[in-house]
Amino acid sequence: DAGVIQSPRHEVTEMGQEVTLRCKPISGHNSLFWYRQTMMRGLELLIYFNNNVPIDDSGMPEDRFSAKMPNASFSTLKIQPSEPRDSAVYFCASTPQGSGNTIYFGEGSWLTVV
Amino acid sequence: QKEVEQDPGPLSVPEGAIVSLNCTYSNSAFQYFMWYRQYSRKGPELLMYTYSSGNKEDGRFTAQVDKSSKYISLFIRDSQPSDSATYLCAIISGNTGKLIFGQGTTLQVKP
Repeated sequence: DAGVIQSPRHEVTEMGQEVTLRCKPISGHNSLFWYRQTMMRGLELLIYFNNNVPIDDSGMPEDRFSAKMPNASFSTLKIQPSEPRDSAVYFCASTPQGSGNTIYFGEGSWLTVV
Repeated sequence: QKEVEQDPGPLSVPEGAIVSLNCTYSNSAFQYFMWYRQYSRKGPELLMYTYSSGNKEDGRFTAQVDKSSKYISLFIRDSQPSDSATYLCAIISGNTGKLIFGQGTTLQVKP
């Protein structure tokens, strides 16, 4: 099992640029989560999807953030325009159950906005 | 007030020590309680999971839940340098199904 696959693993971009993070969940999992992790705020849930449908996006910080899940095997998190305070590790996670009690994380996308 | 509170540490102990990690939570609707371990530059991985008050043991690890006090703990016996990591408590709201994490406690076990 390949696990949750995220890309890119590392991204350094200039303020104002668009950033797109990608995630491939574990095959057969029907829930997908995007988290952001910083030293100050820890792990924060940004948005989660169930069967490709966004269920709760209350954690998305601003309109600059958007997420899509066009099919069961792919999701994107986009930041446009990016700002230095968006620098963080962004994790994608998936679970076979909607309650998320057995959630599997990817290795993260390390974003630095300069 | 945060829904889940966890002391970020860092916590440093000698090899072989018993480690106690703790979290408190505010919402009595929370039903499922988990501990995740995160090694440096890696994603969190599930360590233990429980949904009831009491103790659950798995090898050197014991998870304890006290719903009356809204308090959860993770005990590590005979700690090893390989246990050095960040430990995050996580709780699922029974109402929303959302998984909410504590801040994480960084543990270092010195040989």
